[in-house]
Amino acid sequence: DADVTQTPRNRITKTGKRIMLECSQTKGHDRMYWYRQDPGLGLRLIYYSFDVKDINKGEISDGYSVSRQAQAKFSLSLESAIPNQTALYFCATSDLDRDGYGYTFGSGTRLTVV
Amino acid sequence: AQTVTQSQPEMSVQEAETVTLSCTYDTSENNYYLFWYKQPPSRQMILVIRQEAYKQQNATENRFSVNFQKAAKSFSLKISDSQLGDTAMYFCAFSVRSNNDMRFGAGTRLTVKP
Repeated sequence: DADVTQTPRNRITKTGKRIMLECSQTKGHDRMYWYRQDPGLGLRLIYYSFDVKDINKGEISDGYSVSRQAQAKFSLSLESAIPNQTALYFCATSDLDRDGYGYTFGSGTRLTVV
Repeated sequence: AQTVTQSQPEMSVQEAETVTLSCTYDTSENNYYLFWYKQPPSRQMILVIRQEAYKQQNATENRFSVNFQKAAKSFSLKISDSQLGDTAMYFCAFSVRSNNDMRFGAGTRLTVKP
């Protein structure tokens, strides 16, 4: 099994629908992140969490919300999806004690809003 | 604000030759980390190489090496003996030790030609 698992892998949804992207990890890492990737813009941080009770907004949090249900689970919700939220979404984790070692990424969720 | 700039949206190289991908960043921090990630068509984010800012010695991982110029805030990636499997999108990334908020460049799409 992958260290960081994202579901679903691909999703097409309609404008105005609520959708949840899920992320779970077996790394035992405290820190979890949600990024979105757009062509020509790289990856941009949506939300991050340093532990279950700590949730922080990233640079592009508008239109998104998150829930850290447990150390291992961090979900991203789009309350009312719009077409410009069409993107590739990544969940990532990192270890506080090894913060120079980069992130472990999930395999991404490609979301299309029509 | 911390920013990462990759000025080459696309590059190509012949198999077995050497190619260098450019990256510059801007920060007022002194303790930070720099990374290169590879994203093949499978879209998985794979860590290629990492560099700690306090280390003057350039990092090397097999055919991959970096040229880290701290004063110039430059962090280029050199790929030697390019292989077809190196075809991918490459992202330069920067992380400040104090908050581990990783910032990414827009990416360089590298194509290795047979």
